[in-house]
Amino acid sequence: ETGVTQTPRHLVMGMTNKKSLKCEQHLGHNAMYWYKQSAKKPLELMFVYNFKEQTENNSVPSRFSPECPNSSHLFLHLHTLQPEDSALYLCASSQGDGGDTEAFFGQGTRLTVV
Amino acid sequence: DAKTTQPPSMDCAEGRAANLPCNHSTISGNEYVYWYRQIHSQGPQYIIHGLKNNETNEMASLIITEDRKSSTLILPHATLRDTAVYYCIVRIKDGGATNKLIFGTGTLLAVQP
Repeated sequence: ETGVTQTPRHLVMGMTNKKSLKCEQHLGHNAMYWYKQSAKKPLELMFVYNFKEQTENNSVPSRFSPECPNSSHLFLHLHTLQPEDSALYLCASSQGDGGDTEAFFGQGTRLTVV
Repeated sequence: DAKTTQPPSMDCAEGRAANLPCNHSTISGNEYVYWYRQIHSQGPQYIIHGLKNNETNEMASLIITEDRKSSTLILPHATLRDTAVYYCIVRIKDGGATNKLIFGTGTLLAVQP
């Protein structure tokens, strides 16, 4: 248990569906991240939020829409996804003050797009 | 952030020390070496980090060469639960407001009974 909780753990959705992934941390961290891990590929950083403000978007398609209502919660809204978007989506958090030593990861949401 | 090179896979016998190498020949003076691991289908887990000196904690030891161009992560007594992908990451610790981590392909350590 890392203190970062992701729900749901597994999700199957059709290409026309809209769904959301949720990430929650009560570690007092101010920075939160979304990563994508496709089969046999390294983790890819998608979005970075610091103090609720998005500070990085790594050319992620607009069918992925993040939301950070407060420092404890991070969402990833999904719509009109493609089968190649099937992957493990990981959320992480860290202190966010630039001097922290480690990031804490959730267990991930295994997404399958059919 | 500097690039790292790791072997794709390694085996280790249970109970023996696992020594995982990492090359980071372009590391700059203010970049730290971090190690994370990812057990199958779970989120990555922080292990240890260092700048110049060797470091040890309850999980592992980190040996950094004097020229800082390479390092070795040592798991002193590997168990089956240490089977995972181990990532060596080089980053500036105070390079920004966030702990943004860029992952490579890592080393798959298989601990054999």
